Amino acid sequence: AQTVTQSQPEMSVQEAETVTLSCTYDTSESNYYLFWYKQPPSRQMILVIRQEAYKQQNATENRFSVNFQKAAKSFSLKISDSQLGDTAMYFCAFNDYKLSFGAGTTVTVRA
Amino acid sequence: GAVVSQHPSRVICKSGTSVKIECRSLDFQATTMFWYRQFPKQSLMLMATSNEGSKATYEQGVEKDKFLINHASLTLSTLTVTSAHPEDSSFYICSAKYGSNEGLFFGSGTQLSVL
Repeated sequence: AQTVTQSQPEMSVQEAETVTLSCTYDTSESNYYLFWYKQPPSRQMILVIRQEAYKQQNATENRFSVNFQKAAKSFSLKISDSQLGDTAMYFCAFNDYKLSFGAGTTVTVRA
Repeated sequence: GAVVSQHPSRVICKSGTSVKIECRSLDFQATTMFWYRQFPKQSLMLMATSNEGSKATYEQGVEKDKFLINHASLTLSTLTVTSAHPEDSSFYICSAKYGSNEGLFFGSGTQLSVL
């Protein structure tokens, strides 16, 4: 079974600054997909960014970028220029035929 | 992105009654949908995988007779919580698979409160 570990239950960041969320996973597969999802207080799950394991280039979506280290099975998310609207719970997820989620990291952006 | 609609957003029911939650993919066909349960400040727990035209696959520990899943069409899956009890109170979220590995798109969730 695949496991996804997020070791930071909570993080706080000042508006306009950068925060990095860590995620490690365990799999014996060689080709797979990784995702970061955001769940704001509305509880709507929103896809933030995806990474294909066979691509070495790190994915980027505007202020969100990942650092994908396949050998280390690490998939961290960097939020640059943090905004108040980034306050949410962030879940790292691994996908083969179903999505496995980490425990989540609550990010609070301070004004 | 793809849109998944989930209804109702909130339901309050008496203990012993059944509640049906609908999940629709609005602009794409979803052969596979997933149902999750989430407790406050916790992660999503997969309950079952719903496949169009076939029986749902339930995760270990999930009672299939209590949580009935029907996926009768390519755009609709339903979850019925039968004979609901207070311990079934939770936030239920559906999702649909879009494309081969585009990730999942989620409904807005249903908060179930059983009195």
